[in-house]
Amino acid sequence: KQEVTQIPAALSVPEGENLVLNCSFTDSAIYNLQWFRQDPGKGLTSLLLIQSSQREQTSGRLNASLDKSSGRSTLYIAASQPGDSATYLCAVRPAGGTSYGKLTFGQGTILTVHP
Amino acid sequence: GAVVSQHPSWVICKSGTSVKIECRSLDFQATTMFWYRQFPKQSLMLMATSNEGSKATYEQGVEKDKFLINHASLTLSTLTVTSAHPEDSSFYICSARDFRGSIAKNIQYFGAGTRLSVL
Repeated sequence: KQEVTQIPAALSVPEGENLVLNCSFTDSAIYNLQWFRQDPGKGLTSLLLIQSSQREQTSGRLNASLDKSSGRSTLYIAASQPGDSATYLCAVRPAGGTSYGKLTFGQGTILTVHP
Repeated sequence: GAVVSQHPSWVICKSGTSVKIECRSLDFQATTMFWYRQFPKQSLMLMATSNEGSKATYEQGVEKDKFLINHASLTLSTLTVTSAHPEDSSFYICSARDFRGSIAKNIQYFGAGTRLSVL
């Protein structure tokens, strides 16, 4: 059974800092990995999706890397802003089988960026 | 980008009543939609996979008679919580996958969620 763990559970940083969020997964047989943002009481916004054959993806100040063999992904946020405050979730999609298409989520990292 | 609309965003009901939650893909067709449940300060747990024109596939431990799923069209899936009880209070989120374009663009889009409070 796939298990996804995110570290740290919570992070508080001053505005302008660069930061790294970590995600690890136990089964390396994944199709892709996706990073999401969730604001309090809201749904999920997809930030970045990395296919299993890719090493990283970038969007603006966000960069996500994937090391499938070691079961790890990182989300790098450059020059953090108060508007980045949210919960960040990573989720993996398994590679085929009966679980095809189902996402397994980590517990999330609660990020607070203070002015 | 693709949009998934979920309605209602918040519902309060009395114990024993049934509540229907709708999930619509607004600008794409979704043969498959997913229903998740999220308890406070916890992550999303998949409840069931909704397939257009066929029965939903439920995850282990999820009561299919309790959580009725209907996927009657390529843009609409509904989740009905039957005879709701306080322990069913949670945040329910649906998602749909846009299969258009290349596999690289095969992303799941999520609705805004429905907060259910059962009194």
